[in-house]
Amino acid sequence: NAGVTQTPKFRILKIGQSMTLQCAQDMNHNYMYWYRQDPGMGLKLIYYSVGAGITDKGEVPNGYNVSRSTTEDFPLRLELAAPSQTSVYFCASSRADQPQHFGDGTRLSIL
Amino acid sequence: ILNVEQSPQSLHVQEGDSTNFTCSFPSSNFYALHWYRWETAKSPEALFVMTLNGDEKKKGRISATLNTKEGYSYLYIKGSQPEDSATYLCAPVQTGANNLFFGTGTRLTVIP
Repeated sequence: NAGVTQTPKFRILKIGQSMTLQCAQDMNHNYMYWYRQDPGMGLKLIYYSVGAGITDKGEVPNGYNVSRSTTEDFPLRLELAAPSQTSVYFCASSRADQPQHFGDGTRLSIL
Repeated sequence: ILNVEQSPQSLHVQEGDSTNFTCSFPSSNFYALHWYRWETAKSPEALFVMTLNGDEKKKGRISATLNTKEGYSYLYIKGSQPEDSATYLCAPVQTGANNLFFGTGTRLTVIP
């Protein structure tokens, strides 16, 4: 039972490069979320989705894009990587009104 | 964006001690409150989802209470063990919202 799978686990990017963080869930959850963890700041919501074809901005969406073409997948795109985007990124999924299930995280460093 | 405050920020207790910490949130438009446990180098795991004023939930030695009228929740750990060392996060949900706003957490260290 895989749950929420994030790839890659680690990545180093150069300033200005782009990349996509992958997130997949096999629990048939409608709701999916992307968070970033900043030291001392807890979890900040980047984007979320309540179903295929629907996405909404969270607290810190600038510099990121998402898409939700299927129920299972919710990729997060960084177009022009900046040092401020160095963080640990967590993807989560849930059913409505239920607890969120988190992936193991992607540690991203931008140099 | 919700103003969610958790106190204390960090806490050290001896093994066997009982402890508690607080989550404060806006009481207006309240819908639900989530509690998560987050061990270092792992991902957050759900403890409780609470919705009703006066609600009390329990999971082993961990319990939580909820006061929606005044906007706070307490998390209690009875007889703390080293494996309880983690950051405990709360996250309220407002009516009509589909997302959580996480507090910055209470970091608990249990000293053997």
